[in-house]
Amino acid sequence: KAGVTQTPRYLIKTRGQQVTLSCSPISGHRSVSWYQQTPGQGLQFLFEYFSETQRNKGNFPGRFSGRQFSNSRSEMNVSTLELGDSALYLCASSFGPPNTGELFFGEGSRLTVL
Amino acid sequence: GDSVTQMEGPVTLSEEAFLTINCTYTATGYPSLFWYVQYPGEGLQLLLKATKADDKGSNKGFEATYRKETTSFHLEKGSVQVSDSAVYFCALMDSSYKLIFGSGTRLLVRP
Repeated sequence: KAGVTQTPRYLIKTRGQQVTLSCSPISGHRSVSWYQQTPGQGLQFLFEYFSETQRNKGNFPGRFSGRQFSNSRSEMNVSTLELGDSALYLCASSFGPPNTGELFFGEGSRLTVL
Repeated sequence: GDSVTQMEGPVTLSEEAFLTINCTYTATGYPSLFWYVQYPGEGLQLLLKATKADDKGSNKGFEATYRKETTSFHLEKGSVQVSDSAVYFCALMDSSYKLIFGSGTRLLVRP
């Protein structure tokens, strides 16, 4: 079956702009998590959604937001982009609670902020 | 807060060499522990897991044992292959059920 699909795979934005990233989970998976991956900070948890509700949130500013739709697809948005937002944004899906820690990751969306 | 510490990379080995990647953790209680692997250009994949003390997770020749006395979960493989070249991440699941990852260790296996 199809894996986790993230779009777009690559994008370039300038400071001050906003960006929306999309994630389609594996069919049947209802939980979606987002992570930011950078060389300096490694993998950092952004948020998790289940049944259109945010269940968990990491320590990121309010410029980072997300949502989940009734078909379990998820989007994350970053407003007023800063240079430090350049990163690989990874989406992961799982069946849902209880969370077993077994996540299925997409290939990521690589964001470059100029 | 909870955290995971991994050995710095890169780790460079010849094919068929023995591999150890060290991982220690700090957490309240006894969290589930994981190793994930990221091959070039791909997303992370779960390699193995252990949910309680003394559990041994294993997959594809890799093994790791949950040691609560030393708060460690070291990854080992007896004979590495070129195809094992990747970045390996140790992780724990915290009390709010989110994964906390280590910084990753890059493994390069030469023929």
